[in-house]
Amino acid sequence: EVQLLQSGPEVKKPGAAVKISCKVSGFTFADYHIHWIRQTPGKGLEWMGLVDPEDGETLYSGKFQGRVTLSGDRSTDTAFMELSRLRTEDTAVYYCATGEVASVFDMWGQGTMVTVSS
Amino acid sequence: DIVMTQSPDSLAVSLGERATINCKSSQSLFYSSTNEDYLAWYQQKPGHPPKLLIYWASTRASGVPDRFSGSGSGTDFSLTISSLQAEDVAVYFCQQYFITPLLTFGGGTKVEIK
Repeated sequence: EVQLLQSGPEVKKPGAAVKISCKVSGFTFADYHIHWIRQTPGKGLEWMGLVDPEDGETLYSGKFQGRVTLSGDRSTDTAFMELSRLRTEDTAVYYCATGEVASVFDMWGQGTMVTVSS
Repeated sequence: DIVMTQSPDSLAVSLGERATINCKSSQSLFYSSTNEDYLAWYQQKPGHPPKLLIYWASTRASGVPDRFSGSGSGTDFSLTISSLQAEDVAVYFCQQYFITPLLTFGGGTKVEIK
């Protein structure tokens, strides 16, 4: 069974960093780009970036460039998303996702709620 | 970035009736060299991640009931539920993947039972 299992909810203070994990199973980790997408009530769904687990190459949305770091660990089939210098508006559900068709997402993690509050 | 605009924001449809959601992109999503429109549709229920329904504008994803259909090309697209069922109550999103990796989503349309 294909599964993307994300780490649990986080509560952080403004200015801190958060790191979320996404462990995949049921498919070959290196074969698919892992994308990160966040969802907020105000901005809806926002694509943040992707990591290619095959070679570690990353691409980031300009909105998050400089604050987000994506990575993948092939030894544990786990992708990571780290977002730094958190602001209250970063409060959102963060998803990892991938799919058979490039940039179309038929496999999603369950989501990780990140709350940024002083 | 390509801006995706969905309409309406919400709609209420009687069980068994047709529901149609529209999605307009700020530039064409048709790529002539592949003869495809780079547009996908998702369904999201509360507390769950989005579920892929349609890609290439009109190709149903595996396991999606045939009451869901996608149409359109260029900048104007639609998702139609031919006969609304109770389990179709959800929020629906369109997504363009024409400019990869600068993917963008529509704002969502909430479908309810009248």
